[in-house]
Amino acid sequence: QVTLRESGPALVKPTQTLTLTCSFSGFSLSTEGMCVSWIRQPPGKALEWLALIDWDDDKYYSTSLKTRLTISKDTSKNQVVLTMTNMDPVDTATYFCARMVRLGTYRFDYWGQGTLVTVSS
Amino acid sequence: SYDLTQPPSVSVAPGQTARITCAGNNIGTKNVHWYQQKPGLAPVMVVYDDSDRPSGIPERFSGSNSGNTATLTITSVEAGDEADYYCQLWDTTSDLPFFGGGTKLTVL
Repeated sequence: QVTLRESGPALVKPTQTLTLTCSFSGFSLSTEGMCVSWIRQPPGKALEWLALIDWDDDKYYSTSLKTRLTISKDTSKNQVVLTMTNMDPVDTATYFCARMVRLGTYRFDYWGQGTLVTVSS
Repeated sequence: SYDLTQPPSVSVAPGQTARITCAGNNIGTKNVHWYQQKPGLAPVMVVYDDSDRPSGIPERFSGSNSGNTATLTITSVEAGDEADYYCQLWDTTSDLPFFGGGTKLTVL
């Protein structure tokens, strides 16, 4: 059974760095084809893909946010960490992590419940 | 970048058929996936690879993809289908995934 769960601060101040952790079970990020992504959704708005890390430690970033994002994994802990620097109120959103299997076609088959991050002083 | 355009909203009466489109340049050459998101919940995949259904998804949900438009079709719409729907694909040119802007399905 595949599960993912996001954790991190609910509130961050402008200019601070956000660190989010995705803890997962039911699969291993050392298995070929496995990937974990971060996706966010501002209140009332659409999904926005942020970053992805794959089994081979290759990393992919949103073109518009790549200068602020870093994704990493700890395979032994079954965790993926996302850091986003220089947070701004417009970054207020629910942040989801999701699994993608890069074999054939690339789709997000399992999602975490999401964690709401508010950026405010 | 790869732009995916969805209508902001679609309304349909119960029992009727809803069609939600996702437009993109030569999208017919790509594999499109669809997600349903109800308020306060994470998205759930309802169609993958243009027209396949994950286990547990009713046969009322189907998909097609040709030319510049992919379509999610929901037949015999029920009140419980009211949700936001997003299309998604992986763009091999940029080697990145993209989501459409989402469509709110309202069941009248």
